Amino acid sequence: AQSVTQPDIHITVSEGASLELRCNYSYGATPYLFWYVQSPGQGLQLLLKYFSGDTLVQGIKGFEAEFKRSQSSFNLRKPSVHWSDAAEYFCAVGEGTGGFKTIFGAGTRLFVKA
Amino acid sequence: DTGVSQDPRHKITKRGQNVTFRCDPISEHNRLYWYRQTLGQGPEFLTYFQNEAQLEKSRLLSDRFSAERPKGSFSTLEIQRTEQGDSAMYLCASSPGTGGSNEQFFGPGTRLTVL
Repeated sequence: AQSVTQPDIHITVSEGASLELRCNYSYGATPYLFWYVQSPGQGLQLLLKYFSGDTLVQGIKGFEAEFKRSQSSFNLRKPSVHWSDAAEYFCAVGEGTGGFKTIFGAGTRLFVKA
Repeated sequence: DTGVSQDPRHKITKRGQNVTFRCDPISEHNRLYWYRQTLGQGPEFLTYFQNEAQLEKSRLLSDRFSAERPKGSFSTLEIQRTEQGDSAMYLCASSPGTGGSNEQFFGPGTRLTVL
């Protein structure tokens, strides 16, 4: 069965520091991969997605992610974190035609310290 | 606002009661999804509609749960004989359903508390 693992339950970074959130997936074919962000009291918002092509994808709010098939990973990065980035981040894999059924990881909560 | 809307935003009920939630997707989206999210976890897929057809249901969706999308627009999720374990955030999402992608747009969720 498809699965998504986010090894870090929470991460704390200083404002202005770089960020990398880890994600590993288990999927037999080429996956549809997503990163979502959920702020307190807010709905899930898509940061970026990968379906094919360039393995480095750019998203909103200055985020990027790199698909590494050999490592079954899709890590999220940001060069300089802002206090407003504090939120819960979910990696997800889509299965089925067009990736309609989305399997989410347990999430990583990001804390940003001044 | 043309995003996904859900109603109600919060529901408190007593064990054994029935509850119904509504989701209004983005108007041109023909795919609609329901997820359940418990504290500290990511959303768990419950079911999925392509227009009015319910194409897949998770094993998580017991017989007490039923979802409908009668006209291919809004959807309802009903939970019968609620149990305390049903307490969770119920999320609805929609997507265009065309092309090779499946970017899902999520609503704010309905938080259910079963006493």
